[in-house]
Amino acid sequence: DAGITQSPRYKITETGRQVTLMCHQTWSHSYMFWYRQDLGHGLRLIYYSAAADITDKGEVPDGYVVSRSKTENFPLTLESATRSQTSVYFCASRDLRAQETQYFGPGTRLLVL
Amino acid sequence: GENVEQHPSTLSVQEGDSAVIKCTYSDSASNYFPWYKQELGKRPQLIIDIRSNVGEKKDQRIAVTLNKTAKHFSLHITETQPEDSAVYFCAAHKGGTGGFKTIFGAGTRLFVKA
Repeated sequence: DAGITQSPRYKITETGRQVTLMCHQTWSHSYMFWYRQDLGHGLRLIYYSAAADITDKGEVPDGYVVSRSKTENFPLTLESATRSQTSVYFCASRDLRAQETQYFGPGTRLLVL
Repeated sequence: GENVEQHPSTLSVQEGDSAVIKCTYSDSASNYFPWYKQELGKRPQLIIDIRSNVGEKKDQRIAVTLNKTAKHFSLHITETQPEDSAVYFCAAHKGGTGGFKTIFGAGTRLFVKA
C-alpha cells in the first residue's frame, strides 16, 4: 500500500480558494482514480485516467479538474472550493493487465470553511 | 441511473456469530464485484472479490456469493472477531471496450461485540 501516496493528508481552506490534492504511485499502474467519501454516500468516483494524458469524468466531476502528464501522478484540483466539497478524498490505482482490484491511497481529509 | 444498494447500514453481532451483508446492483453489464474493508481513519482495502462467471468464492472465514439473475451478491463472515469491526463496502464494476465504471454501495458498519 505504500506504493500509492497522497498529499497533503489534511487540508483546511476557505471557499473560493484553489486547492490541489496530489496522488503518486510507484507501481506504474495504468489506471488512476479519484473518489470522495461522504457519510451515507460511500465512495463516489470524481475522475479517472486510463493512461497519461487520458482522463474521463466519473459520477461527480463538477467543480474538479484533473490532469495526468506522467503515469505516476494524478493531481486533483478544486478550482474554487465550496463547502460542499468538504470530504475525504481517496486516490486509487490499478494495473491494466491485472484483475480489477483497485489499491487506495491513505486519503486526504479536506475541510472547506 | 445505475446504483448499488447495500444492506444493512449497521450490523451488530456477538463475537463468534456470523455476519451477512447484502448488495443489489442495477447494471446487468457489471462483471466484477469486490468487497472492501475500511477501518476507522484508514483506507479501503480489498478483502475478497468475485467475477460474474463464478457463483461463490471463499477465503478462510470470508465468502462471497453472486446471483447474476437476481443481480444480488453477499458477503458472509463466519466466526466473527472484534478485529472484524469496520465499515464494509461492496462495489459493482463493469469494464472493457466502450467504458469503465465502478459503483460502490453506501457501506455497512459492522460491530463485533466481545
